[in-house]
Amino acid sequence: AQSVAQPEDQVNVAEGNPLTVKCTYSVSGNPYLFWYVQYPNRGLQFLLKYITGDNLVKGSYGFEAEFNKSQTSFHLKKPSALVSDSALYFCAVRDDSNYQLIWGAGTKLIIKP
Amino acid sequence: NAGVMQNPRHLVRRRGQEARLRCSPMKGHSHVYWYRQLPEEGLKFMVYLQKENIIDESGMPKERFSAEFPKEGPSILRIQQVVRGDSAAYFCASSHGNKGVSGANVLTFGAGSRLTVL
Repeated sequence: AQSVAQPEDQVNVAEGNPLTVKCTYSVSGNPYLFWYVQYPNRGLQFLLKYITGDNLVKGSYGFEAEFNKSQTSFHLKKPSALVSDSALYFCAVRDDSNYQLIWGAGTKLIIKP
Repeated sequence: NAGVMQNPRHLVRRRGQEARLRCSPMKGHSHVYWYRQLPEEGLKFMVYLQKENIIDESGMPKERFSAEFPKEGPSILRIQQVVRGDSAAYFCASSHGNKGVSGANVLTFGAGSRLTVL
């Protein structure tokens, strides 16, 4: 069965420090992995995706994520956090034979000045 | 490009009334997904539609909920005889395609419709 885990409900980071939001997954086929961000009272916005190729994926707003097949992880990272990065972050996965995305429960990222 | 348009943004209903939520997909997109989000929770898949077809409604409650995506006009999520537990944000997303590498398309989300049942 396909599943996604975001083990941290909330991550607190000081502005200017690096941030990591964790995501692990389980799929039967080749994974397609996505990160989305949700600001308060807004819909989700696409950040980045991994389909194939380079394990390090760069996305919007300076975010990047590294696909690690052996650890079945796709952690979201940013070298230097901004207060405006504070939001809810969702990881999602599907495999190459299925259309349906499976969503993580979300991680609330709080960046403190 | 107006993106995915959802209306109304906010809807208040009394128990027993009907709620109709509309979604116009992004231009060129023919696949529509509906999700429900409870406060402080993640997204729960409800239904996946293409024009005039329901592809997967496995996330929809069996009673009171229905969805359509007609040949002309927006997709509609309909909730009959609403109850307090239906209060949530309902998000619509659209995409080009589905399976395979070429179909690994990004979902574009609307801003959501927030339903409050009194």
